[in-house]
Amino acid sequence: AQSVSQHNHHVILSEAASLELGCNYSYGGTVNLFWYVQYPGQHLQLLLKYFSGDPLVKGIKGFEAEFIKSKFSFNLRKPSVQWSDTAEYFCAVKKDSSYKLIFGSGTRLLVRP
Amino acid sequence: SQTIHQWPATLVQPVGSPLSLECTVEGTSNPNLYWYRQAAGRGLQLLFYSVGIGQISSEVPQNLSASRPQDRQFILSSKKLLLSDSGFYLCAWTVLAGKDTQYFGPGTRLTVL
Repeated sequence: AQSVSQHNHHVILSEAASLELGCNYSYGGTVNLFWYVQYPGQHLQLLLKYFSGDPLVKGIKGFEAEFIKSKFSFNLRKPSVQWSDTAEYFCAVKKDSSYKLIFGSGTRLLVRP
Repeated sequence: SQTIHQWPATLVQPVGSPLSLECTVEGTSNPNLYWYRQAAGRGLQLLFYSVGIGQISSEVPQNLSASRPQDRQFILSSKKLLLSDSGFYLCAWTVLAGKDTQYFGPGTRLTVL
């Protein structure tokens, strides 16, 4: 069955530290890839997405993610985190032209000021 | 612009009582609609999706059901709640099943006692 793995369940960083959150998926066909973020008390919102083209995708708030097809990975990065980046981050994968979005279990990021 | 509403925002119900959660989308026609459940420490689990009025697909056999009486209305129901039904329920919409993004509502926090 198709699955999405986020290996880091909890991450604690100091402000200005670099961030990389891992995401691996198991489906071998064409996929669409997403990172969503849920700030405390807010909606789940889209951070960035990859459908095709340049595997390095830039999103909002300085986040980026790189799709590495050979590694079935879509890791999220930010060079310098801020306290306001404290949130839960979800990776999600969808087969191309499918209705179904498969989510990872999420990573809780705490950024200390 | 499109908006998605869910109500109630929070709900506390006794075991064995019925449930009705509502989701409505504004600003779009014929959306694909989804119900997800987010349990503590886990990712989002797709429960139901609908591609049109009266068309419901169930992803996980369980105590819940869904209905779509109108184009932009999606209802999640149960006849008798179980303790295990507690969680955070999210509604989402998208226009195309292919290269499109799912957008999420604010969610309903359900506690079954």
